Amino acid sequence: QQQVKQSPQSLIVQKGGISIINCAYENTAFDYFPWYQQFPGKGPALLIAIRPDVSEKKEGRFTISFNKSAKQFSLHIMDSQPGDSATYFCAASRETSGSRLTFGEGTQLTVNP
Amino acid sequence: NAGVMQNPRHLVRRRGQEARLRCSPMKGHSHVYWYRQLPEEGLKFMVYLQKENIIDESGMPKERFSAEFPKEGPSILRIQQVVRGDSAAYFCASSLGPGTYEQYFGPGTRLTVT
Repeated sequence: QQQVKQSPQSLIVQKGGISIINCAYENTAFDYFPWYQQFPGKGPALLIAIRPDVSEKKEGRFTISFNKSAKQFSLHIMDSQPGDSATYFCAASRETSGSRLTFGEGTQLTVNP
Repeated sequence: NAGVMQNPRHLVRRRGQEARLRCSPMKGHSHVYWYRQLPEEGLKFMVYLQKENIIDESGMPKERFSAEFPKEGPSILRIQQVVRGDSAAYFCASSLGPGTYEQYFGPGTRLTVT
C-alpha cells in the first residue's frame, strides 16, 4: 500500500523531443507528489511537485500531470536537452506520516544530441 | 553554503568496523531524514528525526543501525559492525518541519565495505 511504481526503467529521447515518465501509487492518503532529478554521484534535486487538488503544474519545460481517480501522475519534459540526461525519481508522501518520501524505482533518461 | 551538508563524501570500512555518517541540515531546517540507495535501486526511507527526538525509525534495520540529532551539532547515522550489504549511498534530507513537504537532499555519503 505504500508502493510507488515508476515506468519506464530507461528512456532514450532525441534532442528536442518530449520525455514522459509515469508513476502510479496505491495509498490514497498520499497528498504530495514530487519529482527528483539525480545526476551520477550527486544527491537528488527537487525538480517540481504537485498536490492532489490540481491536475497539472508547469515550471518551465517541466510539467506534472496528475490523475487522482486513476492514482497516477507523470512528468513531461518538453524540448528535451542532452543536459537533462539523468535519473528521475517520482515520490509520494503524506503529512500524517511526517512527510517521509516513498520513492519510485527511477527512470534513467538519455537525451541524444 | 546554505545547502544540506554531508560528510564524509566517501567512506571505506572493513567488515566489522563502525561507520559514522554526519549530516548538517539547511539553515533554518529542524527536521532531518535519512535515506539509503543501494546500487541500481531507488531511495528507501530509514529514519526521521528532529532535534533531540526520533520521530519515525520504521525504515531502520533492527540491529546495528542507530541515528541521533542532538541539540547541538549534526545528525549522525551510525552503523556498527558493518557488513558488505551495507555498501550503499546514504543521503540526508532536511525540511522546515510539520506543515511543509519539501525535502532538500545532501550530496550523500558513499559507504564501501571491504
